[in-house]
Amino acid sequence: EIVLTQSPGTLSLSPGGRATLSCRASQSVSSSYLAWYQQKPGQAPRLLIYGASSRATGIPDRFSGSGSGTDFTLTISRLEPEDFAVYYCQLFGSSLWTFGQGTKVDIK
Amino acid sequence: EGQLVQSGAEVKKPGESLRISCRGSGYSFPNYWIGWARQMPGKGLEWMGIIYPGDSDIRYTPSFQGQVTISAEKSINTAYLQWTSLKASDTAMYYCARRKLSGTYFFGAFDIWGQGTMVTVSS
Repeated sequence: EIVLTQSPGTLSLSPGGRATLSCRASQSVSSSYLAWYQQKPGQAPRLLIYGASSRATGIPDRFSGSGSGTDFTLTISRLEPEDFAVYYCQLFGSSLWTFGQGTKVDIK
Repeated sequence: EGQLVQSGAEVKKPGESLRISCRGSGYSFPNYWIGWARQMPGKGLEWMGIIYPGDSDIRYTPSFQGQVTISAEKSINTAYLQWTSLKASDTAMYYCARRKLSGTYFFGAFDIWGQGTMVTVSS
């Protein structure tokens, strides 16, 4: 079983700041199986990044994904007020289906 | 682009059965995988299983195998998640989601999500 570990658990930043979220897999995985989602309170998750680095439809270019193997990163270049939320990385492919535990980005 | 609409919130007693639904519109429902995910109160997301409505190919994660039943009726563009005997620990929000397809390749990502169905199990 592959485990995804996200860090930090909480990231406290100011609007306009830069957020760097980490997702580490317990063993090497295909980048095509790695996605990032945003979830706000009371809402369903929203796909941000798929294939580790491709932005989903309608996602602003301040969101970017990178990484390969076991280490993946979601970067939000300049935080807007609407970006404060919980972010999940997710692995889905073959028989590998799991989410990370989430990183909460809150307002400092 | 497509939409998934889930059935409404449910309040049930332990031991009761339940089926919740997820109806797709605006795209070719039989040709996309639909996944079901659980989110317990205040917790993270967990995949339960997926179904390909076109041929009802179904796969479960080990934690949910035998605990729930996933099905679909492609003629009415609807997927289902079913319990035969609910427990208090089944109290959660349940989401359906469509797997992203590009050409003939299914990415490991879900691009359209239902609004969620809250299931509360309490005596």
